[in-house]
Amino acid sequence: GAVVSQHPSWVICKSGTSVKIECRSLDFQATTMFWYRQFPKQSLMLMATSNEGSKATYEQGVEKDKFLINHASLTLSTLTVTSAHPEDSSFYICSGSGGRRDTQYFGPGTRLTVL
Amino acid sequence: DQQVKQNSPSLSVQEGRISILNCDYTNSMFDYFLWYKKYPAEGPTFLISISSIKDKNEDGRFTVFLNKSAKHLSLHIVPSQPGDSAVYFCAARASGGSNYKLTFGKGTLLTVNP
Repeated sequence: GAVVSQHPSWVICKSGTSVKIECRSLDFQATTMFWYRQFPKQSLMLMATSNEGSKATYEQGVEKDKFLINHASLTLSTLTVTSAHPEDSSFYICSGSGGRRDTQYFGPGTRLTVL
Repeated sequence: DQQVKQNSPSLSVQEGRISILNCDYTNSMFDYFLWYKKYPAEGPTFLISISSIKDKNEDGRFTVFLNKSAKHLSLHIVPSQPGDSAVYFCAARASGGSNYKLTFGKGTLLTVNP
């Protein structure tokens, strides 16, 4: 299947700092990328959907000013957690889709811990 | 309101036997269903999918069955292997709208015992 990478795989930061997570589709062009977060023993919760070159669509309850998403190219999307707080600690996963009916392929995830 | 439900949080099966993972949905607009497998601290891996125009799709040891009238689907793994031990997520997608976002169930932890 298609390969999606995420960087970093884990990050620890101090409260109040900003953290950027990169998501790359390595062998396909991801016209749409999705960002999820997962709390322990919970399902994957969609945070936002982004199409290349346009603004992201955020799910209800997700603060767009806190979770900045950029999808500048067909192979790269970034999620920036601004002014991170301990409650933002979670497992963040991205996925890419090559077309409207294509399967989503997931990255390996990024473990964020905010102290 | 949970639109995709996996009512069994866990399932334990003996190696070589069949594993049956169940999933129910409530949204009649869903027309495409997927199963993903996930290991701890890793992203989900796509396993198999099925369109609502079919009632069965098979890929090796994995078969997905869809019962549209009951809004129910199941994943059969036969024979089960210890390496199949993971969390399995059922996901559904509606074809309407501008983005084909997935709605996930909470997952079922499958343990295959040697």
